[in-house]
Amino acid sequence: DAGITQSPRHKVTETGTPVTLRCHQTENHRYMYWYRQDPGHGLRLIHYSYGVKDTDKGEVSDGYSVSRSKTEDFLLTLESATSSQTSVYFCAISGSSGETQYFGPGTRLLVL
Amino acid sequence: GQQLNQSPQSMFIQEGEDVSMNCTSSSIFNTWLWYKQEPGEGPVLLIALYKAGELTSNGRLTAQFGITRKDSFLNISASIPSDVGIYFCAGQLSGGYQKVTFGTGTKLQVIP
Repeated sequence: DAGITQSPRHKVTETGTPVTLRCHQTENHRYMYWYRQDPGHGLRLIHYSYGVKDTDKGEVSDGYSVSRSKTEDFLLTLESATSSQTSVYFCAISGSSGETQYFGPGTRLLVL
Repeated sequence: GQQLNQSPQSMFIQEGEDVSMNCTSSSIFNTWLWYKQEPGEGPVLLIALYKAGELTSNGRLTAQFGITRKDSFLNISASIPSDVGIYFCAGQLSGGYQKVTFGTGTKLQVIP
């Protein structure tokens, strides 16, 4: 298994509060991704990173920001959580161009 | 955002039966991937296909990259209870950030 951990694994928060999810990898892979998974929508890309301090938006980036200050960590922040951001969030990594993505175990977020 | 059409959405089968599922797209892909997700876990890569017409096996699993590059198929032979889970197809384009488009999943339940 690829060395990917996510923290926390579960979180309950209230609407309007900031939330940060962490993805940590031990594979030294260049690319890191954040997805959300919702019933009927499959996996949708939120943001991705192609190197330290290099990030870009995915298809559902509104309300989310990311940071990558070192190769092994990719942070996803919900600046002001909303109920529509209740979801399961997955981090993924991949190596050089053309390699497939490997997923972390997920973070289940509930926004009340 | 674009999604792949995956069918069937769910299936109940008897242990020992063979299973077929497929994925179609309106766009071509350079790589097709099949993942399995078990409850509370992240998707795990089963098979990756890199060439149109390619047929690849992984134990009891066999997947094919369609000739048109717009579809892919996954077969599971002699199903067993641990095959239960959600199977996702994904299409991948080559490129700097390797955008991957995921299907909505096929939920497989095996009746012992």
